[in-house]
Amino acid sequence: GAVVSQHPSWVICKSGTSVKIECRSLDFQATTMFWYRQFPKQSLMLMATSNEGSKATYEQGVEKDKFLINHASLTLSTLTVTSAHPEDSSFYICSARRVATNEKLFFGSGTQLSVL
Amino acid sequence: GENVEQHPSTLSVQEGDSAVIKCTYSDSASNYFPWYKQELGKRPQLIIDIRSNVGEKKDQRIAVTLNKTAKHFSLHITETQPEDSAVYFCAASRGNQGGKLIFGQGTELSVKP
Repeated sequence: GAVVSQHPSWVICKSGTSVKIECRSLDFQATTMFWYRQFPKQSLMLMATSNEGSKATYEQGVEKDKFLINHASLTLSTLTVTSAHPEDSSFYICSARRVATNEKLFFGSGTQLSVL
Repeated sequence: GENVEQHPSTLSVQEGDSAVIKCTYSDSASNYFPWYKQELGKRPQLIIDIRSNVGEKKDQRIAVTLNKTAKHFSLHITETQPEDSAVYFCAASRGNQGGKLIFGQGTELSVKP
């Protein structure tokens, strides 16, 4: 099966700092990557859709200036949480859709962000 | 917007019993319906999926049924085992249009030995 690598797996940062999370498709090319956020005991909430070489599409209520997404290549998308605050503490998880397939998503291992 | 409702939120069964989780979706253009199993702190794992041209699909102890008219689909797990204990999520998307995956709220399944 396809492998999606996500780093870091956990990060602790001070309030006001920025954190970058990387999502890589290791053995396939991904036209589209999705970023989700999951609070404890809750569902995965879609934050944005990232297409290689174009601007990300953000879901309603997600601040695009706070959650910067870059999808510079067919194997890498990054999410930067800028000026992080304690309420941004959450489990962030990416997923990738293989080029030439339009259905199955492959998930990264997730990043637990804790903002002090 | 698109919405997926999932019930129940928690489900407790005895080992060997069956478990059923139900979902409804709002977007009539949805045509791809995967089910994921997520253990605490880990990534969701795809356990089974179904497309809109099929009414039922089975894989060993797991089966999924789809009623497009009613816009609902269900996950059936038979002969449950303690290792089936996890959170299960349904999802829906316009798969053949490269659409985003919208998740249900999740069901915490507990299988008691």
